This record gives sequence, C-alpha cells and structure tokens, in this order.
Amino acid sequence: NAGVTQTPKFQVLKTGQSMTLQCAQDMNHEYMSWYRQDPGMGLRLIHYSVGAGITDQGEVPNGYNVSRSTTEDFPLRLLSAAPSQTSVYFCASSYRGTGYNYGYTFGSGTRLTVV
Amino acid sequence: QKEVEQDPGPLSVPEGAIVSLNCTYSNSAFQYFMWYRQYSRKGPELLMYTYSSGNKEDGRFTAQVDKSSKYISLFIRDSQPSDSATYLCAILNQGGSEKLVFGKGTKLTVNP
Repeated sequence: NAGVTQTPKFQVLKTGQSMTLQCAQDMNHEYMSWYRQDPGMGLRLIHYSVGAGITDQGEVPNGYNVSRSTTEDFPLRLLSAAPSQTSVYFCASSYRGTGYNYGYTFGSGTRLTVV
Repeated sequence: QKEVEQDPGPLSVPEGAIVSLNCTYSNSAFQYFMWYRQYSRKGPELLMYTYSSGNKEDGRFTAQVDKSSKYISLFIRDSQPSDSATYLCAILNQGGSEKLVFGKGTKLTVNP
C-alpha cells in the first residue's frame, strides 16, 4: 500500500543507547519531516528535508540527527537516548503539484520509551 | 509568540451539536491553512485544506480563515460520536522550507 511506513512501531531504550527510527515513503514525495508528539505539546518539528541531500533543523533538533540520501528514506537517529526523548515520533511526507503543497501524509508513528 | 496557538480543551459536546474549533496565528504572510484529525494512537490525517481567506465546506465540516484577524476555524455540524478525536490546526510555510507548523490540538469528545 502506498504511504509512509515507520519502523519500529514500539521501542524501549536504555539511557545512553543509540538507535535509528526508519521512515520510508513510496509516493515520490520531495518533502519529508520528523515530528515528536508529547502530551499537551502538540506536534513539534524535529528535522525536515526538501529533497535528497538537503535537510534542516526544526523546532526541537537537539539530540537527533537526520540524513536523506534517497527520495524515499528519511531516517532519524537518536545519538544518546535520554528519558526526555520518550515520546511518539511521526514521520510525514508531501509534494508540491501545480504550485500547491497539498499537505503532509503521516506515518502511524513510533512509540519510544527511554528508561 | 508561537506561530500557531490553539486551545487544547478538552471539549465535550452531545451528539448532534455544532462544534467550533479555533486557532490564531502570528505571521500575516501565511496563506495555507490545514486541519488534521487524529484518532487515539493513530497518525494525524488531513481533514481540510484552505488557501488564503474564506470558507471551504466538505460535508459536515467547514473550514474558515479570517486573515484580517489571523484566525482560523473548523466547524462540525451534526457532530457524531465518530468525530471524537483530537483536531490539530496547522499552517504551511510555503515557498522554500514547506514546513508544517501545528497548534497543540483540541481533544473533542462527542457523547451519544
């Protein structure tokens, strides 16, 4: 099925461990973003990309790293996990057609707990 | 000042009620406004999309933008229990970054 695929769906990490959250889309979308969602905080932008090889920081980038070597994939790396990174992480993608961006399609999320 | 402000609620209404959800934004240059719906433990899904000022209607849902007051609204007519979800307003920073910035979301419960 076409869409945004996130893996894993659930993960428990110990403080200090590193890991990569995977995100893949098969819609040939040029724009991709990572958000975290915490209770009462809404969705906050971590990093985003406007195309392969181009990434930039969002609102809460500290402790996270991204790269985008292909149009399809946009992995998010946690360098040294901290309890404050316990959250639900969403990846999203979009495209611009005939002058309009028609909005982002979201994945189903990764629930991360850091103990 | 945050780019998008949204009252997080929660909001509880009886079935059949008209629901009004609102957001304000800070940058008058914004032109693309979206509403997302998020069911519990699911990813957000795009519900409505409006460009510039005016209204857009889709079934029981109406999205309204008032650029003069920097105010966006979502109205739900004849609300149903299946409308119970969190509703997030979002603004697209079009032209370059294409960043989507969200309000905090309003949790809506429609009681049968």
